[in-house]
Amino acid sequence: KAGVTQTPRYLIKTRGQQVTLSCSPISGHRSVSWYQQTPGQGLQFLFEYFSETQRNKGNFPGRFSGRQFSNSRSEMNVSTLELGDSALYLCASSLLARSNTGELFFGEGSRLTVL
Amino acid sequence: GENVEQHPSTLSVQEGDSAVIKCTYSDSASNYFPWYKQELGKRPQLIIDIRSNVGEKKDQRIAVTLNKTAKHFSLHITETQPEDSAVYFCAASTKNNNAGNMLTFGGGTRLMVKP
Repeated sequence: KAGVTQTPRYLIKTRGQQVTLSCSPISGHRSVSWYQQTPGQGLQFLFEYFSETQRNKGNFPGRFSGRQFSNSRSEMNVSTLELGDSALYLCASSLLARSNTGELFFGEGSRLTVL
Repeated sequence: GENVEQHPSTLSVQEGDSAVIKCTYSDSASNYFPWYKQELGKRPQLIIDIRSNVGEKKDQRIAVTLNKTAKHFSLHITETQPEDSAVYFCAASTKNNNAGNMLTFGGGTRLMVKP
């Protein structure tokens, strides 16, 4: 079974631009979460989607948004990029539907550098 | 919201020694506590988890203990090996009405096992 796939793996943007990151979950997994990983802040929760609905949202500004498609693939978008948005963005999928205690299977991440 | 603190931030041990990483959480309603291991340049992977109705869980050389009253939980690795060198993250589930998958992570512990 293929793991969680994230694209692109690396990207460089300049301040003010926007970026879209993609995540394909493990087949059969309907829950997709996004986390931001930085050396100083660790792993911080962005949002979680299930059946095309955002169920949870972390404490990030409105510039960070996401969506999920009917095939469970998810995208996240960051608009008006700032230098502080440079980070590794990790997507994770989970099998359990209605529990908040499911194992997360992470992708390898998309490393965003904002210049 | 939930807040998870993790100590120490770095830990260096000699091969064969034991390593202990401790975490505290703030939300008494949290009921699921996983530990993830992230090797350099790789994705985080679940190594062990514990639910609030259990005080201790073991899996070969690793064990996790949970003290609900004190709101802290710990990871114990015995007979450490060089391949245990990685960053370890504790996490706590965050209850919400949407029953989604949302984890609050600790800041991480970089474990170095010296041969």
